Amino acid sequence: DTAVSQTPKYLVTQMGNDKSIKCEQNLGHDTMYWYKQDSKKFLKIMFSYNNKELIINETVPNRFSPKSPDKAHLNLHINSLELGDSAVYFCASSLSLEALKAFFGQGTRLTVV
Amino acid sequence: EDQVTQSPEALRLQEGESSSLNCSYTVSGLRGLFWYRQDPGKGPEFLFTLYSAGEEKEKERLKATLTKKESFLHITAPKPEDSATYLCAVQATGNQFYFGTGTSLTVIP
Repeated sequence: DTAVSQTPKYLVTQMGNDKSIKCEQNLGHDTMYWYKQDSKKFLKIMFSYNNKELIINETVPNRFSPKSPDKAHLNLHINSLELGDSAVYFCASSLSLEALKAFFGQGTRLTVV
Repeated sequence: EDQVTQSPEALRLQEGESSSLNCSYTVSGLRGLFWYRQDPGKGPEFLFTLYSAGEEKEKERLKATLTKKESFLHITAPKPEDSATYLCAVQATGNQFYFGTGTSLTVIP
């Protein structure tokens, strides 16, 4: 029974396209996150939502827009994809705002060609 | 400049050969230091949180320690299943988060 699940696992798309990644958690957590991990394994938090409200919004291009329809879901929409957006994107969730004690999904490997 | 540096980048150990991984940090006001394990193709798995210098946490063959400038993850008598990338992260005042780039550990049978 998957705790944090994200789809798709792999995403290959052309520059300029718009794409979405979906995330769902069944842990009853009230906070969800999106992280980006680059090719050098460097992990960076992008967004944090607590009870459907945006809490953390690190310096991220406004082409990235998170959407939280409810506490259990946090989707990531990316407009006008660029080559530099290629990375692994992880969704995560936690109780309260303890971002670094989060449970992570398996990741979505995005490749922009 | 706030940053987190992990060393070595990669480590190969024989099964049973104990060693330590290092995470050094320079941040303005440490709120917590976190260790994770990441297996290939998977998300990071939370291991430990350390909050103050002198604190130690243990889990099976892993022991994490913290000083005012660095943390060590000691691996005692490692097994092949301990092979993974180990990440550390720091939460600083102002709710800023910084991750290291990890140490890739390979334990050879």
